[in-house]
Parts: sequence; structure tokens; C-alpha cells
Amino acid sequence: EPEVTQTPSHQVTQMGQEVILRCVPISNHLYFYWYRQILGQKVEFLVSFYNNEISEKSEIFDDQFSVERPDGSNFTLKIRSTKLEDSAMYFCASSEWGAKNIQYFGAGTRLSVL
Amino acid sequence: AQTVTQSQPEMSVQEAETVTLSCTYDTSESDYYLFWYKQPPSRQMILVIRQEAYKQQNATENRFSVNFQKAAKSFSLKISDSQLGDAAMYFCAWKNSGYALNFGKGTSLLVTP
Repeated sequence: EPEVTQTPSHQVTQMGQEVILRCVPISNHLYFYWYRQILGQKVEFLVSFYNNEISEKSEIFDDQFSVERPDGSNFTLKIRSTKLEDSAMYFCASSEWGAKNIQYFGAGTRLSVL
Repeated sequence: AQTVTQSQPEMSVQEAETVTLSCTYDTSESDYYLFWYKQPPSRQMILVIRQEAYKQQNATENRFSVNFQKAAKSFSLKISDSQLGDAAMYFCAWKNSGYALNFGKGTSLLVTP
């Protein structure tokens, strides 16, 4: 069964460093998403992306964050200058047709900012 | 803001028994979707079941069924004939016609032999 894959599974970085989290969505999906889950808190929506544009973003997704689809298969989340509070599990998801369709999630990348 | 509340941080059920996980939500919208996702120790979030608010009939998916009470804004998940593989964190989520899923904090389900 097709699945969303995320790499790495765990990323450790120093505060102030840039980090890129990578995702390979399901191949025929057109809509892509990032969520995050701070330890002990609920999963929170960050951004959705379609046709090389952001279609929706939350208040969390400020200028420190950016997303990109650099090629036909990858979808990335970049955090420009990491802060301690960026430590969280980051989930990528994809869906076939967008708002009405089911979002399929990857296993997540645990980001630890030291 | 839309909120999703899961009032049970942890639940326990014996194998082969039935368990119900609670979820309530708050919205003024009439058109929306509700979901239950399962997150096993492997961390991959898997869709268990989906309910469209305009449908009165409760969704079912094999051993999983929901009790959707629109007026009460309640969306509980019933797992019948529980199996060891059902042990996981279960998240209730709400979505309108936009893109963002709004999640509850989750319920950790323990299945005992």
C-alpha cells in the first residue's frame, strides 16, 4: 500500500541552525500538508500546499518556516533559525484531491533543538 | 476557534471486549467532517473512520463504528471485539471545507489479554 515517507526519523540540531525536514508524499496525490505535535500537546496544523503555492497556513507558520516542492517527489519544510520551542514531532501528510479528501500521514520526524 | 475535546487521556479494554472512546467538538458551522485517526507505537497516523456531518447514518468500518450526535456535537468511536493490535493513541479530528485538520489531545488505548 502506498504511504507517505519522512526522513530523517530523528533530527538533532543546535538552536539558530537551519533545518530541512523531508517528505515523499503518495505519488498521485496533489495536496500536501505539514503538522506538528509538541510533546504532550495535540497535533497542530501548520500549512497546506497545492500547485506550488501555499493554500492555507496557521498562525504558527510564520516567516521562520517555508515549504517547497523541489522536484516531482519531495516536499520539504524548512525552519530557518531553529528555537528551543520548535522541538516537536513534525508530520507530513498528503491527499488526492484536497479539502474533501482523506489526508494520509507519514510516521513523522522528531526534531530536537538543543 | 474550533475545538476538539477528548476527555479520556487513557482507556483500557480486555481483548475481545468493546470499548468506546469519547470526542466532543465545538463549531458553529453546519458542513464539516469528523475523523478518528490511530497512532500505534510506529507513530504512523492511520485513518480509522470518517464521518460527513450531513450524513445522518453513522459510519462503520469493520469492527469500528461511530456514534455521531450532531446536535450534541459528539462523535464517539466504538471498537468491538478488541484486539491486541488496536492498542494505540487515538485522535479525534474535525475539518470544515478548508484544509486544516483540528485534532483533540488523544486517548491512549491499552488492550490487555
